[in-house]
Amino acid sequence: ETGVTQSPTHLIKTRGQQVTLRCSSQSGHNTVSWYQQALGQGPQFIFQYYREEENGRGNFPPRFSGLQFPNYSSELNVNALELDDSALYLCASSSGLDYNEQFFGPGTRLTVL
Amino acid sequence: SQQGEEDPQALSIQEGENATMNCSYKTSINNLQWYRQNSGRGLVHLILIRSNEREKHSGRLRVTLDTSKKSSSLLITASRAADTASYFCATGEETSGSRLTFGEGTQLTVNP
Repeated sequence: ETGVTQSPTHLIKTRGQQVTLRCSSQSGHNTVSWYQQALGQGPQFIFQYYREEENGRGNFPPRFSGLQFPNYSSELNVNALELDDSALYLCASSSGLDYNEQFFGPGTRLTVL
Repeated sequence: SQQGEEDPQALSIQEGENATMNCSYKTSINNLQWYRQNSGRGLVHLILIRSNEREKHSGRLRVTLDTSKKSSSLLITASRAADTASYFCATGEETSGSRLTFGEGTQLTVNP
C-alpha cells in the first residue's frame, strides 16, 4: 500500500460547475504533485506543492488551482468545468523536491457532462 | 505536453517470454522512472534510474539509460500474465527531479 489516498473515487459534474478533489499524502512526505490523465494517454503534470507553497505549474489554465495544508494534504480545485476536463486525476507524494520516488494515489475519475 | 515517446504502443507476448519497451525523451533530465498502471487505476512505481547511471536491476526488471541518445529501455524477463498492464516512462526535470513528464505508455498483454 502506498499510503496516498484520494477522494472521491468517482465524480460526475456538468459543464460550468466547480469541483474540489482531495489528496492525503503518505506520512512524512511534504511534496504533493497533481496530474491529469485523459483516457488512453499518459499523465500530464498540473502543479506541485512543497511545504504549502506552489512549486511549479504545468500548461494548465488558472481555473485549475490548488492548496496544500499544514499536514501536507492537498486539494485540487477546478472552476468552470469543461467537457475536456473529464479525466483521471492523480496525486503523488514524495519526501522532497529531488529525484525521490513518487507514490501515487488511486486517482479520482471525473466525468463532465 | 508529452516529453517521452514510447515504443511500441502495444506489445502482446506469451507467458515466459521477455518484454522490452523503449522510451525516448527530448530535454536534459535529473532522473527517469518507470511506472505500471492497471486498468486506469493509480500508478505503481517500478524503478528509478538517475541521469549518471547506465543500468539498474530490480527483480525481473532491467532498465538502461543512454543520456547521449536520450533514451531508456525497460526489460521484463520471464513475463507472467499478471504483468499485463500499461507501462509509462517518466522523466524528472533537471531542476526539480520530482516534477515528472510522462510518455504515452506501452500497453503490454501477456497471454497465458
